[in-house]
Amino acid sequence: GENVEQHPSTLSVQEGDSAVIKCTYSDSASNYFPWYKQELGKRPQLIIDIRSNVGEKKDQRIAVTLNKTAKHFSLHITETQPEDSAVYFCAAVRGTNAGKSTFGDGTTLTVKP
Amino acid sequence: NAGVMQNPRHLVRRRGQEARLRCSPMKGHSHVYWYRQLPEEGLKFMVYLQKENIIDESGMPKERFSAEFPKEGPSILRIQQVVRGDSAAYFCASSPTSGTYNEQFFGPGTRLTVL
Repeated sequence: GENVEQHPSTLSVQEGDSAVIKCTYSDSASNYFPWYKQELGKRPQLIIDIRSNVGEKKDQRIAVTLNKTAKHFSLHITETQPEDSAVYFCAAVRGTNAGKSTFGDGTTLTVKP
Repeated sequence: NAGVMQNPRHLVRRRGQEARLRCSPMKGHSHVYWYRQLPEEGLKFMVYLQKENIIDESGMPKERFSAEFPKEGPSILRIQQVVRGDSAAYFCASSPTSGTYNEQFFGPGTRLTVL
């Protein structure tokens, strides 16, 4: 089955700096890669996603890149703010096995003011 | 359009009791997924259901756990004879269609505590 590895497990940055979180996946049939933000005690919320036919996607301060050959994808947050502090999860979804999302173990991001 | 609803939000059970967790998907969504999140860990897939069908239960423990999504009413995740290790947050998510690129919307979760 699919295996998703996420690094780093914790990340601390100064407000205004950039943060990068990286994930690798094992199943070459995975073709949809969402990123979720989870605040303490809250539900995971989708912040950005990327399809396998796209190499990069950007939404304001958040961007995601995908390298299908190397089977890795990354989340980039620029100009970080204290409210970006949360746990971030990457996931990989295989289109032919609809629905089942395999999640990374999460990255706890702390943005220090 | 109400989001995914889960109840109860918090559930306390003693060892050996049964826990029933309910999930009402978003309106128009016919696909439901259950995930378990242990404290300070990631989300682990348990089961994927469509109305009246279990599509993928590869993440569900073979014993004590069962799930259903009847034609009418919410999806139910049932845990029989709970043990302390079942204490976790259980999230359900729903999506409007299967196939590729199906965004899943998460409910607020049910936090199960087994005493």
